[in-house]
Amino acid sequence: AQRVTQPEKLLSVFKGAPVELKCNYSYSGSPELFWYVQYSRQRLQLLLRHISRESIKGFTADLNKGETSFHLKKPFAQEEDSAMYYCALRARDDKIIFGKGTRLHILP
Amino acid sequence: GAGVSQSPSNKVTEKGKDVELRCDPISGHTALYWYRQRLGQGLEFLIYFQGNSAPDKSGLPSDRFSAERTGESVSTLTIQRTQQEDSAVYLCASHRGQGLFSPLHFGNGTRLTVT
Repeated sequence: AQRVTQPEKLLSVFKGAPVELKCNYSYSGSPELFWYVQYSRQRLQLLLRHISRESIKGFTADLNKGETSFHLKKPFAQEEDSAMYYCALRARDDKIIFGKGTRLHILP
Repeated sequence: GAGVSQSPSNKVTEKGKDVELRCDPISGHTALYWYRQRLGQGLEFLIYFQGNSAPDKSGLPSDRFSAERTGESVSTLTIQRTQQEDSAVYLCASHRGQGLFSPLHFGNGTRLTVT
């Protein structure tokens, strides 16, 4: 079965400290993985996808097939990073499922 | 339109009544999804439409839930005989289509409250 697990409901990090939001997936095949973000009073939007291997707003995420993980990382947290983050998986049939989300709170 | 549009933005209904939620995807987007977001919970997949293919209804929680889509345009999600546990934000999202990458574009959601 396809499943996305984000074990942390809330993560509080001091400004300037490193951030790691955990995501593990279950999928028999090669998934396409994404991180979506929802800032306060804004719509959910794509942050990054694993295929592009890019850094967006200082965030990166590496797909680790051995550990079936796609953790989101940023070396130095900024206050504007406070938001709700969702890890998502796109299966072969184009169905997209999301994890439960992690609320990131950056402390001043 | 400029983005995915959902209506109404808020809906309060009495337990047992039927409700209909509407989603207008971005023009040209063949793929359309409905998700449910209960308070403090993540995004729960409900249903997925792709072009003229049969929809993937595997996420619908009960037979009180149904959804339709006319061609590649408007979709409606209907909840019959609403229950209090149906209270949630219902999100619609669309993207360009199968085999092509385009990010999911989300609407602002419909907040449903069943009293």
